[in-house]
Amino acid sequence: EIVLTQSPGTLSLSPGERATLSCRASQSVSSSYLAWYQQKPGQAPRFLIYGASSRATGIPDRFSGSGSGTDFTLTISRLEPEDFAVYYCQHYGSSRLTFGGGTKVEIK
Amino acid sequence: QVQLQESGPGLVKPSETLSLTCTVSGDSFSSYYWSWIRQPPGKGLEWIGCGHYSGSTNFNASLESRVTISVDTSKNQVSLKLTSVTAADTAMYYCARGQYQLQRWGQGTLVTVSS
Repeated sequence: EIVLTQSPGTLSLSPGERATLSCRASQSVSSSYLAWYQQKPGQAPRFLIYGASSRATGIPDRFSGSGSGTDFTLTISRLEPEDFAVYYCQHYGSSRLTFGGGTKVEIK
Repeated sequence: QVQLQESGPGLVKPSETLSLTCTVSGDSFSSYYWSWIRQPPGKGLEWIGCGHYSGSTNFNASLESRVTISVDTSKNQVSLKLTSVTAADTAMYYCARGQYQLQRWGQGTLVTVSS
């Protein structure tokens, strides 16, 4: 079973700064099946990125994904006030989905 | 615009069966897999399983023995049953569209397991 480990657990940044979030898989995975989500308090998760680097419909271009193999990154180029939230990576493999533990991006 | 709405009892007694329904509107229901995901209070996301109108289903191995997911195309609904619940099953339960990734989500419904 693949385990996704996200780091850091919490990222404290100011609006306008760049955020770099990491998702590491316990073994090499297909980037085609690596996705990212954003979740704000009291809301359902929102689909951001699929195929490791493709933005979902309506997602601003300040969000970008990259990576391959075991190491994947979500980058927010310049944080807007609405971007402070928890972010989850997710992988599909062997007919099952797994989520990382999440990274909280909080206002410094 | 696709909409997903979860419904069901908010309180379930220990050892009983949790039953939830997700009603989908504004989408081609038969074209997709539909997933259930849960989130215990203050914790992360856990995928429960998914189903397709063809009858195909996949489950989280840790829950597989207790989970049933069924799809009703006549009502555009996907249902979840989780048997023998304990306090550890207390969570927000979400339905979502997708098999490889989860493109659209319902708002979720909170289920508490307590006597």
